[in-house]
Amino acid sequence: EIVLTQSPGTLSLSPGERATLSCRASQSVSSSYLAWYQQKPGQPPRLLIYGASSRATGIPDRFSGSGSGTDFTLTISRLEPEDFAVYYCQQFGSSPRYAFGQGTKLEIK
Amino acid sequence: QVQLQESGPGLVKPSGTLSLTCAVSGGSISSSNWWSWVRQPPGKGLEWIGEIHHSGSTNYNPSLKSRVTISVDESKNQFSLRLSSVTGADTAVYYCARNIAAAFGMDVWGQGTTVTVSS
Repeated sequence: EIVLTQSPGTLSLSPGERATLSCRASQSVSSSYLAWYQQKPGQPPRLLIYGASSRATGIPDRFSGSGSGTDFTLTISRLEPEDFAVYYCQQFGSSPRYAFGQGTKLEIK
Repeated sequence: QVQLQESGPGLVKPSGTLSLTCAVSGGSISSSNWWSWVRQPPGKGLEWIGEIHHSGSTNYNPSLKSRVTISVDESKNQFSLRLSSVTGADTAVYYCARNIAAAFGMDVWGQGTTVTVSS
């Protein structure tokens, strides 16, 4: 079973700053099967990134994903007020088929 | 544009069975997609429950497999979740979602429905 560990648990930044969120897997993950989601209070998750680095439809280009093997990163180049939310990474594997990290809360400093 | 809508009882008694339905609109459930259930306990993270293909093929999270059944009704363009022997730990917001394919993530989500397990 692959376990995804996200860090930091909480990230405090100001609008305009750069955010770097980490997702580390306990075993190597195919980069084809690593996704990132954004969730705001009272809303369902929203797909941001799939295949580790491809932006989903309608996602602004300030969001980017990178990484391979066991280490993946979501970067938000310049934070907008609407970017403050919880972010989850997700991998597709064998058992379970899908697993999520525990989330990183991005809060306004 | 595909939309998903969860429905079902908001309150289930301990040891009972949780039953939810996800209605698919704006597209056919009989496309090549897989359809998932994901839950989120209050204040906690996301947990994948399982998925189904319109052909009826299913995959379940091993941690829940003994209690979960996911089914599809193509004639009604919907799929359903049954979770048996529920306890307070099953209290959560339950979401349905579409997976185009494993490599493309879950791109469409329902708004979620809150299920509380309590007597």
